[in-house]
Amino acid sequence: QKEVEQDPGPLSVPEGAIVSLNCTYSNSAFQYFMWYRQYSRKGPELLMYTYSSGNKEDGRFTAQVDKSSKYISLFIRDSQPSDSATYLCALGGNNFNKFYFGSGTKLNVKP
Amino acid sequence: EAGVVQSPRYKIIEKKQPVAFWCNPISGHNTLYWYRQNLGQGPELLIRYENEEAVDDSQLPKDRFSAERLKGVDSTLKIQPAELGDSAVYLCASSLVRSSSTDTQYFGPGTRLTVL
Repeated sequence: QKEVEQDPGPLSVPEGAIVSLNCTYSNSAFQYFMWYRQYSRKGPELLMYTYSSGNKEDGRFTAQVDKSSKYISLFIRDSQPSDSATYLCALGGNNFNKFYFGSGTKLNVKP
Repeated sequence: EAGVVQSPRYKIIEKKQPVAFWCNPISGHNTLYWYRQNLGQGPELLIRYENEEAVDDSQLPKDRFSAERLKGVDSTLKIQPAELGDSAVYLCASSLVRSSSTDTQYFGPGTRLTVL
């Protein structure tokens, strides 16, 4: 069983839609939760970083962590074609420097 | 501020040939990571350095892969000999890790390796 499970998609939505991206995990030791965005032929870039449970908002992006369910989400409001990319969740434990990545969800926002 | 720099961006070689990738981390970052990313997958850690020391190389295939980080700055990852299954994107990342706080990882653009 993988440490982190993520639906690979692809997910196709119209411009302006609300997008929900999710990851589940099995190791309760994870305390750090990140979302990265990766455009085609580019390296991942950090979008959101949260510690422990709760919500964090940054502009059109909201990250949610539910440690009791071992479930994390990224919401994108008013999605734009420029949001079309692969979104990777990454989790870290007590040894924060070691991340475990999901396989990524490919998002396509149609104009 | 300059990000993580990697070269080359693309490399095509025949199997059994050697290949090397170079990474220059963000200035001041003491921790450097090499990842491999297969198509449609997330990055998988190969090796992590804290300054010059390799502190986690459990996932590095040591029979053919080697890495070094001389002087705790730039790093080189080498494969010798390359196999068909080594075709992937090799990502370098860096972060600033202190005893009292940590930082997330910043990635370079990657080197796309194709082994024929």
